[in-house]
Amino acid sequence: GAVVSQHPSRVICKSGTSVKIECRSLDFQATTMFWYRQFPKQSLMLMATSNEGSKATYEQGVEKDKFLINHASLTLSTLTVTSAHPEDSSFYICSAREVAGSPYEQYFGPGTRLTVT
Amino acid sequence: AQTVTQSQPEMSVQEAETVTLSCTYDTSESNYYLFWYKQPPSRQMILVIRQEAYKQQNATENRFSVNFQKAAKSFSLKISDSQLGDTAMYFCAFTGANSKLTFGKGITLSVRP
Repeated sequence: GAVVSQHPSRVICKSGTSVKIECRSLDFQATTMFWYRQFPKQSLMLMATSNEGSKATYEQGVEKDKFLINHASLTLSTLTVTSAHPEDSSFYICSAREVAGSPYEQYFGPGTRLTVT
Repeated sequence: AQTVTQSQPEMSVQEAETVTLSCTYDTSESNYYLFWYKQPPSRQMILVIRQEAYKQQNATENRFSVNFQKAAKSFSLKISDSQLGDTAMYFCAFTGANSKLTFGKGITLSVRP
């Protein structure tokens, strides 16, 4: 149980275009989903927290107009990287917290590798 | 704000031996959870073990155990009988009242055959 999927697993896009990454909780309902960014050999950096039906809360230094987050249902959150540039190339990971579960437990997706050319 | 410190960037251990990964943290909260996550080359984050701060007993999961020293704010991970599949990056993490995870910088563990 407690499986989180991400789609796509890898994406290559051209500079200036937008790309959407989906995060789904497959076998549970998620009140809260988190989006992280990870550079090679580095730690996970929290970008934003999204709660179903409300606006996402962004961490300091994260551009909310560049990284649009939508959490329209209890099983789906999306991250859209708008007007992507090569410096946005990174590994993006989502996690989800179960409605009926511990407030301290997060289940991670497998990540999405974004390459902007 | 919480901080999590992993000061060792890399470690290496011989297969079948025991290795300890260090982690310290800082917080003013009294109720929190600590975690060790494993990130293998696939980059899927895998929960290794969790410790609730109010529990004095150290958590154990098969070959993995922690040494939780609350007063010293220390949370080390011991891996016994190391296996080749334990080769990965390991992250120590903290979560408290805001339910956000704060990660350490991570340590790359290599298990030698």
